[in-house]
Amino acid sequence: GENVEQHPSTLSVQEGDSAVIKCTYSDSASNYFPWYKQELGKRPQLIIDIRSNVGEKKDQRIAVTLNKTAKHFSLHITETQPEDSAVYFCAASLPGNQFYFGTGTSLTVIP
Amino acid sequence: DSGVTQTPKHLITATGQRVTLRCSPRSGDLSVYWYQQSLDQGLQFLIQYYNGEERAKGNILERFSAQQFPDLHSELNLSSLELGDSALYFCASSVAPGSPGHYEQYFGPGTRLTVT
Repeated sequence: GENVEQHPSTLSVQEGDSAVIKCTYSDSASNYFPWYKQELGKRPQLIIDIRSNVGEKKDQRIAVTLNKTAKHFSLHITETQPEDSAVYFCAASLPGNQFYFGTGTSLTVIP
Repeated sequence: DSGVTQTPKHLITATGQRVTLRCSPRSGDLSVYWYQQSLDQGLQFLIQYYNGEERAKGNILERFSAQQFPDLHSELNLSSLELGDSALYFCASSVAPGSPGHYEQYFGPGTRLTVT
């Protein structure tokens, strides 16, 4: 199966600074890479995703980059706000649409 | 609200018991996925169903089983429960493969299982 590693496990930034979370995957057949935000006790919510035929995607303050050759992808959040504080999970999806998640990054934005 | 519903929200039971968790996918979604989220193992894929048929298995224990019914709701059965089975169990759904947006999975609110 797929193995996804995610770093860092915790991240603290000052409000207004940028945050970057990195993930690597092992199976070159993975073709879809979503990022989820999860607040304590709540469901994971999709915030952005990228498919393997695209190198970069941006949605307002959030962007994701993908390097297929190196098998890594990253989440970039700019101009962070306190409400961005949450746990963020990356995932890699095999063609059958089974998601394999990273271990999560707990992001704290300090006002 | 993702449109995916799960019942019950909370479940407390004793070791050795059996429980059933229920999931109703978003209207029109044919695929259902089950995930287990525990503190030490993160979000783990358990099993996938598509239109009533099992599609893929992940790290699902033999004590666990699932099915998807003709009305597309799904149930996850956990038996011979152990303390280590305590976790949040999420289901997610997506549209049929090949449909626009079929990559995206929408998660339900989860069922918190506590085994004592």
